[in-house]
Amino acid sequence: ETGVTQTPRHLVMGMTNKKSLKCEQHLGHNAMYWYKQSAKKPLELMFVYNFKEQTENNSVPSRFSPECPNSSHLFLHLHTLQPEDSALYLCASSQDQGLSSYGYTFGSGTRLTVV
Amino acid sequence: SQQGEEDPQALSIQEGENATMNCSYKTSINNLQWYRQNSGRGLVHLILIRSNEREKHSGRLRVTLDTSKKSSSLLITASRAADTASYFCATEAYSGAGSYQLTFGKGTKLSVIP
Repeated sequence: ETGVTQTPRHLVMGMTNKKSLKCEQHLGHNAMYWYKQSAKKPLELMFVYNFKEQTENNSVPSRFSPECPNSSHLFLHLHTLQPEDSALYLCASSQDQGLSSYGYTFGSGTRLTVV
Repeated sequence: SQQGEEDPQALSIQEGENATMNCSYKTSINNLQWYRQNSGRGLVHLILIRSNEREKHSGRLRVTLDTSKKSSSLLITASRAADTASYFCATEAYSGAGSYQLTFGKGTKLSVIP
């Protein structure tokens, strides 16, 4: 275990469903990130939260809605997704959004399939 | 936008051999990091090298950084079957308002044959 826990590990949802991905860390980190990993593409940064405030939204469609109620928890709410949204969604955390000394800590990801 | 680009895309070696992966990037960076990902899992941070460093070691890993050529290499010595994974370089650079952003490449898929 890395200290960053993502649930669920796998999710299959229809295009009209609403679901949420959860990420939790108890490393004392203040920055949390959502990344999307699709086959044969680099990791795409989606959202960044630093001290609970959203600092980055990388032109992500509004069908993805992040929520960060505190520095330890991060959610990604999903609504009316498309099949091309099927991917591995990775959560990561770091001390803060300043220059890192130790890199990011990633969760194991949620494998999302949209049918 | 993609910053680091790994080469080769895939590498297959025999157990005991050394594996070398390369990473090139385009803009100025503060540091470069290497991560490993086992199939379908999260990424694990391996090593970080700062822009003012030229070489760094960690166990069987050796990383070099040449900022004049905007390139880095990761060497895994005496490879083991358990080293089979995808390896990603990531560059960290200033993104404004006191924040830094980490940008990943597409990765090198390493297969170590027992």
